[in-house]
Amino acid sequence: AQSVTQPDIHITVSEGASLELRCNYSYGATPYLFWYVQSPGQGLQLLLKYFSGDTLVQGIKGFEAEFKRSQSSFNLRKPSVHWSDAAEYFCAVGARGGSYIPTFGRGTSLIVHP
Amino acid sequence: DAMVIQNPRYQVTQFGKPVTLSCSQTLNHNVMYWYQQKSSQAPKLLFHYYDKDFNNEADTPDNFQSRRPNTSFCFLDIRSPGLGDAAMYLCATSSRGTGANVLTFGAGSRLTVL
Repeated sequence: AQSVTQPDIHITVSEGASLELRCNYSYGATPYLFWYVQSPGQGLQLLLKYFSGDTLVQGIKGFEAEFKRSQSSFNLRKPSVHWSDAAEYFCAVGARGGSYIPTFGRGTSLIVHP
Repeated sequence: DAMVIQNPRYQVTQFGKPVTLSCSQTLNHNVMYWYQQKSSQAPKLLFHYYDKDFNNEADTPDNFQSRRPNTSFCFLDIRSPGLGDAAMYLCATSSRGTGANVLTFGAGSRLTVL
């Protein structure tokens, strides 16, 4: 079975600073990888996904993520954070065989200082 | 726009008083999920329907039931809510076919138990 680890519970950045949220997965083959964002009191929204091909994927709201097979990682990045990016971010991993239901990490809470 | 709609957005109930939460979708997705999310935690899958087939997670309490009368609608019934059932309940859908399983979430129903 697949698993995902988000080692940072909280991340605090200043508005305009760059951002990197970490995500590590465990799976025997190349997985499907996702980042979702959850604003306070809302459901989860898909930011981006990796299926295959180019390991650097672009998402909505200026986010990108890079799949690194050697490190089993799929870190989320943004070059300049806006105050509206303050939210909870969830990494998820899906198997290419077996269960089709993605496994979510525990989330990283992003705090943005003005 | 095609979407996932949850009602009510906020539900207050008394200890032991049954509650029903609803979810409707216009995406024509064949899979519907119910997640429970407590504060600052990852969504926890309660159960899901693959078409009409009901799949219960092993650790979902018997207090939680679900119905899917047709493709568009799914209900979560909490027969006797306890204080520990206070949470955000998220409905999600996906189209199961080949490839990765991308979930589309509703905005959630927040349950308060007095």
